[in-house]
Amino acid sequence: EAQVTQNPRYLITVTGKKLTVTCSQNMNHEYMSWYRQDPGLGLRQIYYSMNVEVTDKGDVPEGYKVSRKEKRNFPLILESPSPNQTSLYFCASRMTGKTEAFFGQGTRLTVV
Amino acid sequence: SQQGEEDPQALSIQEGENATMNCSYKTSINNLQWYRQNSGRGLVHLILIRSNEREKHSGRLRVTLDTSKKSSSLLITASRAADTASYFCATPSGGGADGLTFGKGTHLIIQP
Repeated sequence: EAQVTQNPRYLITVTGKKLTVTCSQNMNHEYMSWYRQDPGLGLRQIYYSMNVEVTDKGDVPEGYKVSRKEKRNFPLILESPSPNQTSLYFCASRMTGKTEAFFGQGTRLTVV
Repeated sequence: SQQGEEDPQALSIQEGENATMNCSYKTSINNLQWYRQNSGRGLVHLILIRSNEREKHSGRLRVTLDTSKKSSSLLITASRAADTASYFCATPSGGGADGLTFGKGTHLIIQP
């Protein structure tokens, strides 16, 4: 089954403790991206990757890092999480040039 | 940067009625997509309409696009309780990003 898998689905952590949210897709898509969703603000893109070893900042990249060492994986790294990074995070992938994006089920992160 | 803006923010109707949601955007586009999000879950692609199309149908969905007004509408006919969800329009981000920019969404509630 074609899918985008995020882990974990839920995470509560403390300020400053490094964490990684994993994202994996099995559709051989070149393009992957991370969004955060906050009430009243909709979805905002954090980082995206056009292909392996190619990443770039989205609209709200501060406080986040990503890597793309393999085509299927695109982890989101929070080196020193802060409470304002409490949010619902989505990973998405799509074939370059194609339009439909496939989303993961989301990761609800709470930073206390 | 926000491209699409949905209207209304929330809509509550009776089962069986039709639901109409609108999306306005700011810059020229070559396509526009609609996505559905069930509570706390990932977004699911519903339909895409290209800039040279004025109307498109998919099952109980009808999408229109007016490029002169920079607006689109999504009509769900004969609504069902299972249609309760948030609906987002998405437009290409532009530049070299090949990404999508999402509106803030319309939350649709279907009353049984």
